[in-house]
Amino acid sequence: QVQLVQSGAEVKKPGASVKVSCTSSGYTFTDYYIHWVRQAPGQGLEWMGWINTRSGRTRYAQNFQAWVTMTRDTSISTVYMEMSSLKSDDTAVYYCARDDAASSDNALDVWGQGTTLTVSS
Amino acid sequence: DIQMTQSPSTLSASVGDRVTITCRASQSVSVWLAWYQQKPGKLPKLLISKASILQSGVPSRFSGSGSGTEFTLTISGLQPDDFATYYCQNLDNYWTFGQGTRVEVK
Repeated sequence: QVQLVQSGAEVKKPGASVKVSCTSSGYTFTDYYIHWVRQAPGQGLEWMGWINTRSGRTRYAQNFQAWVTMTRDTSISTVYMEMSSLKSDDTAVYYCARDDAASSDNALDVWGQGTTLTVSS
Repeated sequence: DIQMTQSPSTLSASVGDRVTITCRASQSVSVWLAWYQQKPGKLPKLLISKASILQSGVPSRFSGSGSGTEFTLTISGLQPDDFATYYCQNLDNYWTFGQGTRVEVK
């Protein structure tokens, strides 16, 4: 079945970097963009950006442009999201989700299980 | 980035009520808008895409309408399973979310 499986929980110190993975299965990896969304404890959803898994092109939300990098490895159907210079308010659950950009009614239809990142000294 | 504003932030309702949530965009997004439902500790679930296209398996009591800058999600006959938080999302260019509307038991 179609699924996105994310890497496990992370605990980092302020100023550190983290790299979260999202591995796809059950569909053609390069037919869908992958987006990243985060949710701080008790807060709403925050869109971070997307990666075109075919070309590698990315688009980031303004808040994340300077310190988030999304990459992909098509050989293993995996997308990575790396964040640098972490702060305590980056503590959140990070989700990947897919988007059929070729569809006329695309949205985020399948989500990964989420990766909890805790940033604490 | 386009800003998405939902109202109300919290809505108290009873089973059987007709519920309407509004989402306003800071500039036109045409029909490029989705609605999601999220329950505590669970993943967001896509309900509606392109403003009004109900996703497969989503009950027909959910409906979406609107275009440009103003959109609504309507639940016709609220069911116990519908108490949750609902988010709109702009699908045009930068995919920003609204802040969410929590539907709670009255």
